[in-house]
Amino acid sequence: DVKVTQSSRYLVKRTGEKVFLECVQDMDHENMFWYRQDPGLGLRLIYFSYDVKMKEKGDIPEGYSVSREKKERFSLILESASTNQTSMYLCASNFRLTGELFFGEGSRLTVL
Amino acid sequence: RKEVEQDPGPFNVPEGATVAFNCTYSNSASQSFFWYRQDCRKEPKLLMSVYSSGNEDGRFTAQLNRASQYISLLIRDSKLSDSATYLCVVNMNAVSGNEKLTFGTGTRLTIIP
Repeated sequence: DVKVTQSSRYLVKRTGEKVFLECVQDMDHENMFWYRQDPGLGLRLIYFSYDVKMKEKGDIPEGYSVSREKKERFSLILESASTNQTSMYLCASNFRLTGELFFGEGSRLTVL
Repeated sequence: RKEVEQDPGPFNVPEGATVAFNCTYSNSASQSFFWYRQDCRKEPKLLMSVYSSGNEDGRFTAQLNRASQYISLLIRDSKLSDSATYLCVVNMNAVSGNEKLTFGTGTRLTIIP
């Protein structure tokens, strides 16, 4: 079974804090993704990575950065959290860029 | 026009009924189409891929209409466990030339006993 694990299910942070969201997958997938999901807006792609140390901007990269130092791990970084970044963050991975996506359980971030 | 558009619902349907929903997409060059299911407070999971010839998996049938640029999902003999949000996913060619998967906002389905 493919397993995508996100380090924190629930986080509460203050405006201006730096936030790290970690994601690990155990299926040797090439591609990893970070989405955010908001009511009425669906899933929106923040960043993705198709190889170690490679990253590509998605549809809404502003205010976020990512790091992929190892194939199995993809981190999302909020350098200075803001209230409009309160959301559910979903990590996913797959073999082919347009193949089946396997998601983690999500990290619900609240920024006060 | 949104790249991928779905009726958000909610669809409230009695158990045993047949329900269908559509999803329209804007890019006529799209090649891959999927339906994902997302249970409340859970992550999305692939329900089925949608092939040009249409495909069926038990009570679920997915179809593609390229001329009108929509895909559909039909659920027959609906069960209480079918209650979920159904997400339409389309492979769009990004501006950079890379392909990417674009999600619709989802259609919420509730099966009523």
